[in-house]
Order: sequence, then structure tokens, then C-alpha cells
Amino acid sequence: QVQLVESGGGVVQPGGSLRLSCAASGFTFRNYNMHWVRQSPGKGLEWVAFIRYDGSDKYYAESVKGRFTISRDNSKNTLFLQMNSLRAEETAVYYCAKDSRWHFDLWGRGTLVTVSS
Amino acid sequence: QTVVTQEPSFSVSPGGTVTLTCGLSSGSVSTTHYPSWYQQTPGQAPRTLIYTTNTRSSGVPDRFSGSILGNKAALTIAGAQADDESDYYCVLYMGSGTWVFGGGTKLTVL
Repeated sequence: QVQLVESGGGVVQPGGSLRLSCAASGFTFRNYNMHWVRQSPGKGLEWVAFIRYDGSDKYYAESVKGRFTISRDNSKNTLFLQMNSLRAEETAVYYCAKDSRWHFDLWGRGTLVTVSS
Repeated sequence: QTVVTQEPSFSVSPGGTVTLTCGLSSGSVSTTHYPSWYQQTPGQAPRTLIYTTNTRSSGVPDRFSGSILGNKAALTIAGAQADDESDYYCVLYMGSGTWVFGGGTKLTVL
């Protein structure tokens, strides 16, 4: 079954760190570029980061540049998002998404990150 | 900073046709932005509707169509149904490996 399953969300204090994971199955993970997208409660979608299929290129939204790091382990079919110096306004559901022809063609169900003291 | 604009809300009658748009705060949307559209209901992950301007994703009914209208990308829903009531998001590829989502349109069918 083709799917993406995020994990690693939870409650973290402002300024803290968290590492999200996204397990892929049902497709050849190493062949596809991947993204992280987030959605704050009651708000719209925000693109966060992109990584090329082989990890050779990584791009970030300006809002997270220098604090978030996207990575992948193709041997384990897993995508990661390391988030440092978290802010209250980054409370959101974080989705991983598979890239295909410049769009997001498969989404996970998301994992909730709450940044609060 | 580039802002992608969408109508905050729209209303359509059942059976009617509605066109949602996706523009840029500066400049025109073109096919080189590879506009794509997503439908989202509360508590659910987004569902892909349209990509590369006008290609329907697998399983999406042909009531949904995408295009470029003037200087904006557009999503047209024909024969609107009650379960089309959702939030709709467009996203544009801005080059250099970056994407920007619009703020979303809340569509009401009544």
C-alpha cells in the first residue's frame, strides 16, 4: 500500500528541538524528491522544505532557513525534519509529501507539533 | 516576498459552476509556475486535484479542471456538489527549489 506515515510530533518548549520522521512504503522511495509542508491550527498550508531524491539538494522556506534541516535515509525509506529553536507560531500539523512533476502527489496524515511552555 | 493570492471565500449553488483563482502579488502566473490545486476538508490531509496547470490527478472527476485565465491560474468546478464544500489551495513553483502556497479559498455549496 502506497503511503507516508509521519511520527515524532509532540509538545516542546519555545527554543526547543524536535525531530520528525516520515516512513514511506509502497513505492521506490529513493527515486523521488520529497517535501515537508505544515499547517497551523485554523490556518493555511505552508511549504517548509524540499530534498532531492538522492539528498544532493535541499531547499527551505525563508521562515525556517538556518533552524530546520531536512534529510533522508534511503536505506530505511525514511524522511526526516530536524527542527531547532522552535517558536510558538510554529505549532502546526507537519505533513510529509512525495514530489512528482513539481507537485505534491502523495500526502501523509501529518503529525502535530505543539510549541508551548 | 512573493505572496500567492486566492479568494478567501466563495459560494456556489448546487449544480452551478465556480472558478477559483490563484494569482501573484507581483507579476503573472504562467505554466512555468506549474500551478497545482488541492482540496482539504477539516481534519484531513490535502487531496491533490490538478497539477501542471491542467492535469487531473488520478481519480479526480472531470468536473474539476485547471487553466490559466489572464494572469492567474484557475480551478473550475462544474456541476458543484455538496461534498465539494471544502478548502481549496493552490501552490506555485517559484524556482530555485521553492514553492509558495496561496492562503486558500473556503468554498461553500448552498
